[in-house]
Amino acid sequence: EVEMVESGGGQVKPGGSLRLSCAGSGFTFSRYSMNWVRQAPGKGLEWVSSISSYSTYMFYADSVKGRFTISRDNAKNSLYLQMSSLGAEDTAVYYCARGDTTSLTDYWGQGTLVTVSS
Amino acid sequence: EIVMTQSPATLPVSLGERASLSCRASQSVSSNLAWYQKKPGQAPRLLIYGASTRATGVPARFSGSGSGTEFTLTISSLQSEDFAVYFCQQYNKWPLYTFGQGTKLEIK
Repeated sequence: EVEMVESGGGQVKPGGSLRLSCAGSGFTFSRYSMNWVRQAPGKGLEWVSSISSYSTYMFYADSVKGRFTISRDNAKNSLYLQMSSLGAEDTAVYYCARGDTTSLTDYWGQGTLVTVSS
Repeated sequence: EIVMTQSPATLPVSLGERASLSCRASQSVSSNLAWYQKKPGQAPRLLIYGASTRATGVPARFSGSGSGTEFTLTISSLQSEDFAVYFCQQYNKWPLYTFGQGTKLEIK
């Protein structure tokens, strides 16, 4: 069974940093691109960042470019999101999602909550 | 950026009724359109991809239609477990995914 489990969320002060992790299981992790998507309270879903299967390509939404860094460790079946210079606008549930060969995000984790507050 | 617009925001329906949810793209996304079901505390669940193909294990009462800019998710006979938020997503150009704001199905 395909499963993704996010961790690392929590409360952080404005300007602070946080590192999210996503552990994948039930599939060959290295064959898939991976994505981070977030949902702020009361808002819709927003794509945050994506990384290709062997980390050749990495993409970021303009709202996080220069502040967030996506990475992966295929040996550990894990995806990461290093977040810095966090602001209130980054408060959201962060989901990791697997991307198949057509770029469809077919499986998602349950999400991890990041709260930026003083 | 491709803007996805869903309507209505909330849809009150009764058990056993048919529900039709709409999703419109600001430009053509071909058939690269997916529908997801989201319940509180759960991971989004893929229901429909390629605008009209049901994902593995999705009941036949869920169907999708449309192409280009206009799409519809239809639930033929609502069951209690179907009351949730549904959102559409275009995946026409990886990785610039965009999502609709969601439609919440409520019990009438």
